[in-house]
Amino acid sequence: GEDVEQSLFLSVREGDSSVINCTYTDSSSTYLYWYKQEPGAGLQLLTYIFSNMDMKQDQRLTVLLNKKDKHLSLRIADTQTGDSAIYFCAERKSGGSYIPTFGRGTSLIVHP
Amino acid sequence: NAGVTQTPKFRVLKTGQSMTLLCAQDMNHEYMYWYRQDPGMGLRLIHYSVGEGTTAKGEVPDGYNVSRLKKQNFLLGLESAAPSQTSVYFCASTTGTSQYFGAGTRLSVL
Repeated sequence: GEDVEQSLFLSVREGDSSVINCTYTDSSSTYLYWYKQEPGAGLQLLTYIFSNMDMKQDQRLTVLLNKKDKHLSLRIADTQTGDSAIYFCAERKSGGSYIPTFGRGTSLIVHP
Repeated sequence: NAGVTQTPKFRVLKTGQSMTLLCAQDMNHEYMYWYRQDPGMGLRLIHYSVGEGTTAKGEVPDGYNVSRLKKQNFLLGLESAAPSQTSVYFCASTTGTSQYFGAGTRLSVL
């Protein structure tokens, strides 16, 4: 199976909260990331969390990590149409060649 | 500060033609990477480099070659393009904590 799994699509109404979920399999993952990709653009780092943390908040973004269940989520409060994009979850171990493993991405569609 | 710059942004090739994609970063990063992105497949690592003069194979290296003659540049070559190499190619570099991506090169092989 895949190392990092995400659902492919999420549709929300503007102003609602969005929650994008991700599961991973490697218990030795040290860093867990969320990237955003807008149409026609490259990936942009949104936020990351260390494996010894269980929550990180940055303005409208909240990342929750359940290390026991190997589950990561990204909550976007007050979702706007500009948040429509593909969101990638990624994990990697410390050291080595710093190569993350990416999920396939979740397409977030925000409608009025 | 330009970050990671990829050239060209778009290219159309005929089967069998060759080309080189250029990636340049101005952040003095040691590590650089080439990925391809295909619909529904996420990102797949082609080759990477852990420093000037070094290269290593990633998940899908066949049909591609790379060179890292200068620390700031990472080149991806296609010697004989095939339709299966139609994709969007992304270059990335890293501080060691997180990766910074270029805007991508959209390549079509007819």
